[in-house]
Amino acid sequence: SQQGEEDPQALSIQEGENATMNCSYKTSINNLQWYRQNSGRGLVHLILIRSNEREKHSGRLRVTLDTSKKSSSLLITASRTADTASYFCATPLPFNAGGTSYGKLTFGQGTILTVHP
Amino acid sequence: DGGITQSPKYLFRKEGQNVTLSCEQNLNHDAMYWYRQDPGQGLRLIYYSQIVNDFQKGDIAEGYSVSREKKESFPLTVTSAQKNPTAFYLCASSNWVRVGETQYFGPGTRLLVL
Repeated sequence: SQQGEEDPQALSIQEGENATMNCSYKTSINNLQWYRQNSGRGLVHLILIRSNEREKHSGRLRVTLDTSKKSSSLLITASRTADTASYFCATPLPFNAGGTSYGKLTFGQGTILTVHP
Repeated sequence: DGGITQSPKYLFRKEGQNVTLSCEQNLNHDAMYWYRQDPGQGLRLIYYSQIVNDFQKGDIAEGYSVSREKKESFPLTVTSAQKNPTAFYLCASSNWVRVGETQYFGPGTRLLVL
């Protein structure tokens, strides 16, 4: 089963507007990450927020994390047409291999963001 | 796309044929991964490797094989046993798989069946 689920599945906005995407997860985590994927390309890491952080900023990006609700949000302010892409949240899913705990990343299905000129 | 290269960009497979996708990284990362992405879907882990000469199955390893003979290289073979291979394949690497480190992705290989 998927660890992270993004909402909405698709988002369409006008250039200059803000875009908010949400991610919910199921198990305890030590960090949560957001990635962007342009059509037909690889994923690009945007931001990582640790479980002891509540908010983090990077340029026009703001990420929040609420561990009590097991949810995170990604806000893109003053959107541009170049922000058009799919956005994924990823969380480490603890598992044991040979008695040692490792954090395999699991990805949600993503939010498709379209920014119109 | 960082310091990870994948080749080819497009790959065509005939029925019953094995094909190999290349992944090379110059980031000096210990861990490498292979993911499969179907249209409109997220990523599913096929195989991962923490160190040279070691690799582990992911969630959908059936019909795939890998090797890790060099730290820089992690090729993926899609065997004839994989009945539905058409997908976008992404390779990634990270410093260490423990505690879910940031992963760096290659540009992907799109595999199509003739």
